[in-house]
Amino acid sequence: GQNIDQPTEMTATEGAIVQINCTYQTSGFNGLFWYQQHAGEAPTFLSYNVLDGLEEKGRFSSFLSRSKGYSYLLLKELQMKDSASYLCAVVDSNYQLIWGAGTKLIIKP
Amino acid sequence: DTAVSQTPKYLVTQMGNDKSIKCEQNLGHDTMYWYKQDSKKFLKIMFSYNNKELIINETVPNRFSPKSPDKAHLNLHINSLELGDSAVYFCASSQGREIGELFFGEGSRLTVL
Repeated sequence: GQNIDQPTEMTATEGAIVQINCTYQTSGFNGLFWYQQHAGEAPTFLSYNVLDGLEEKGRFSSFLSRSKGYSYLLLKELQMKDSASYLCAVVDSNYQLIWGAGTKLIIKP
Repeated sequence: DTAVSQTPKYLVTQMGNDKSIKCEQNLGHDTMYWYKQDSKKFLKIMFSYNNKELIINETVPNRFSPKSPDKAHLNLHINSLELGDSAVYFCASSQGREIGELFFGEGSRLTVL
């Protein structure tokens, strides 16, 4: 079967750095997305990786290793507004999007 | 201007009723989707609709039916509501047929009593 694994919850301190991991086992691979979802709101797009390596976008970076079936989202200089769930989603060989359950990130002052 | 809008935002109803959720996108996108997000926060695709081609997730009960009057609208109709249908339903759109960045509506929280 197809599977996306992420930690259920993480806690970090304002101003610090946090890394949210995502491992996947899917039938084929056509890219990996990270979305942010604040409580009670819709998911919003953060990043898309299809090639190995690190993509940096401001305070957020996303890394992909296709051979390891692994990605991470790195958040720097954490702010209270970064408290949200972070969803990893993989595009499989049928171009279907397979979603993880998300990682709830709690930022403490 | 709201890119993807869905109504109503909250819906409380009794078991056995029939209800609809409407979705409209003004992004000119070709593909629209309905997702269900349950209490465990998993996003599950229900339907995708592209140029009159409907792709249905086989796990979706046939009580759920999408209706698309045109490319900018994809409504969700649910017959004979059950307690397990309680969830947040998200409409989304993307530019092309193949997976790209999804733009989500604000969600419709359905509670079946």
